Amino acid sequence: DAGVTQSPTHLIKTRGQQVTLRCSPKSGHDTVSWYQQALGQGPQFIFQYYEEEERQRGNFPDRFSGHQFPNYSSELNVNALLLGDSALYLCASSFGGPGGQDEQYFGPGTRLTVT
Amino acid sequence: GESVGLHLPTLSVQEGDNSIINCAYSNSASDYFIWYKQESGKGPQFIIDIRSNMDKRQGQRVTVLLNKTVKHLSLQIAATQPGDSAVYFCAENGDSSGYSTLTFGKGTMLLVSP
Repeated sequence: DAGVTQSPTHLIKTRGQQVTLRCSPKSGHDTVSWYQQALGQGPQFIFQYYEEEERQRGNFPDRFSGHQFPNYSSELNVNALLLGDSALYLCASSFGGPGGQDEQYFGPGTRLTVT
Repeated sequence: GESVGLHLPTLSVQEGDNSIINCAYSNSASDYFIWYKQESGKGPQFIIDIRSNMDKRQGQRVTVLLNKTVKHLSLQIAATQPGDSAVYFCAENGDSSGYSTLTFGKGTMLLVSP
């Protein structure tokens, strides 16, 4: 039973570019949440996808967008990259349907470096 | 805004000692709390959780205590081992929407010496 997987592992981009990160949830999970973790900080909630729609969003600008596919996998897109976007991007999956559980399982993250 | 925070940034213990990591939260509406362990270069790993209708929950070598009166959460690790060395985060699910979104604190680094 595969856990949460993310790709790529590492990524280096230049300011102004766009990036797409990918996540596959744990088997049986239908909800994907994305978090940004700056060095030395705790993860910060970006947004959550359920039934292919964004149903909750944290305090992040519109440059951050996402998508969820019918197979529950998800993408995080960041446009017009800034140096401050350099961070570890974490994907977490959970079961969000009726009787859903709060427990979230995290993937290994994608380390994004913006130069 | 409301947030979860930790009292101690770094905790150093000897192997075999018991460790206690503390966390203060400010959102009185939070009804679910989780402790995560994060090793270098990895994503957070679930350790133990507790709901607000409980004040104590035990796992294997770990115990979480919740004091809602003073909004305090603690993680106790018994017989700490070098493999326990990591950053520990407490997180709360205090979103009033009812959806599961987590607010994390900054973390405590646990260093275990052999």
